[in-house]
Amino acid sequence: QSALTQPASVSGSPGQSITVSCTGTSSDVGSYDPVSWYQQHPGKAPKLVIFEVNKRPSGVSNRFSGSKSGNTASLTISGLQAEDEADYYCCSYAGSGSRVFGGGTKVTVL
Amino acid sequence: QVLLVESGGGLVKPGGSLRLSCAASGFIFSDYYMSWIRQAPGKGLEWISYISSGGSYTGYADSVKGRFTISRDNGEGSLYLQMNSLRPEDTAVYYCARDTSSGWYFDYWGQGTLVTASS
Repeated sequence: QSALTQPASVSGSPGQSITVSCTGTSSDVGSYDPVSWYQQHPGKAPKLVIFEVNKRPSGVSNRFSGSKSGNTASLTISGLQAEDEADYYCCSYAGSGSRVFGGGTKVTVL
Repeated sequence: QVLLVESGGGLVKPGGSLRLSCAASGFIFSDYYMSWIRQAPGKGLEWISYISSGGSYTGYADSVKGRFTISRDNGEGSLYLQMNSLRPEDTAVYYCARDTSSGWYFDYWGQGTLVTASS
């Protein structure tokens, strides 16, 4: 159960779009649609922002979108805002109820 | 509203045991899978265990298999994590989260409880 690979950091200016990648293997991301993304502000619990690759929970801004191709999932934040500055984690189903998270990406709004 | 409140964290010596609890409210607890997820200081998230809605099915990460046991009491609306043979690397904030077997994601999280395994 090796962690999924995410870039350590991604940055962008207000109003820009950024994309955070999440690379796994054929045993997790490549085999299952259940990929989810979580936003975590410092000292807070994580919050679900994308589930099942590209679905948004009620109340999450439509500036957040997700996609997947092969073994790589992606989270895109469009119209970047100061409040989007946080850590983001991807998570994939890995079979038999197990899950695996990515190492996390710090998103900085310049 | 959905509320998950963890308790039971604290300082424990390596080799010791601790039992975490998570009190759930605001939803029909017995309808949902539940999971424990931890975060070591300054590190990323690590899923460690899940339990099915009725408690019949469980799963564990390799890092805790054989040492940790997840359980639940649907009548009380509570989730538990029994942690034995604790190691310094188990030091982390432990979160309980509502899980879904349909999409395998965590839609609600507690605020976490800190476990420190140190002599």
